[in-house]
Amino acid sequence: EPEVTQTPSHQVTQMGQEVILRCVPISNHLYFYWYRQILGQKVEFLVSFYNNEISEKSEIFDDQFSVERPDGSNFTLKIRSTKLEDSAMYFCASQGELLSYNEQFFGPGTRLTVL
Amino acid sequence: RKEVEQDPGPFNVPEGATVAFNCTYSNSASQSFFWYRQDCRKEPKLLMSVYSSGNEDGRFTAQLNRASQYISLLIRDSKLSDSATYLCVPHNQGGKLIFGQGTELSVKP
Repeated sequence: EPEVTQTPSHQVTQMGQEVILRCVPISNHLYFYWYRQILGQKVEFLVSFYNNEISEKSEIFDDQFSVERPDGSNFTLKIRSTKLEDSAMYFCASQGELLSYNEQFFGPGTRLTVL
Repeated sequence: RKEVEQDPGPFNVPEGATVAFNCTYSNSASQSFFWYRQDCRKEPKLLMSVYSSGNEDGRFTAQLNRASQYISLLIRDSKLSDSATYLCVPHNQGGKLIFGQGTELSVKP
């Protein structure tokens, strides 16, 4: 069964450092998402991406964040200068079509710890 | 009003019990919904989609009441492996999923 993969599974970084979280969506999917979940809190939408551009982003997704699909398979989330409050699980998701019954498939997540 | 509100739980039930979770939503334009389950520190996984009055899949039954803007999930004959957090998620035209806090279920032997 096709699946979304994410690397690394756990990333530890110092405050102020840049991190890049990587995702490989399901190969024929067209819509890509990043979500995050701070420990003990709900899953929050960060950004959606379609046709090589951002289609929607949340208030959380400020200038410190960026996404790209550099090579047609990977989908990356970059945080330019990490803060302590960026510590969270980051989930990538992909979806084939934007239909009401279409499932978003989630990757296993990257746990980001900012020290 | 929050987009989605769920019973926070936790629901502690014995194996074999029947348990029901409730969810209310604020956007009357929402056409379909998903029930996801999330195990501790894992990704959300789709349990079932609901886009008519309801859906049944084995031990799981979801019902949708559009007039009351209310969705329920019924789990029959609970198993230990059903222990998880259950998330009610309305479909959004733009694609993004808006998650609530979810309802935590703990099934005990």
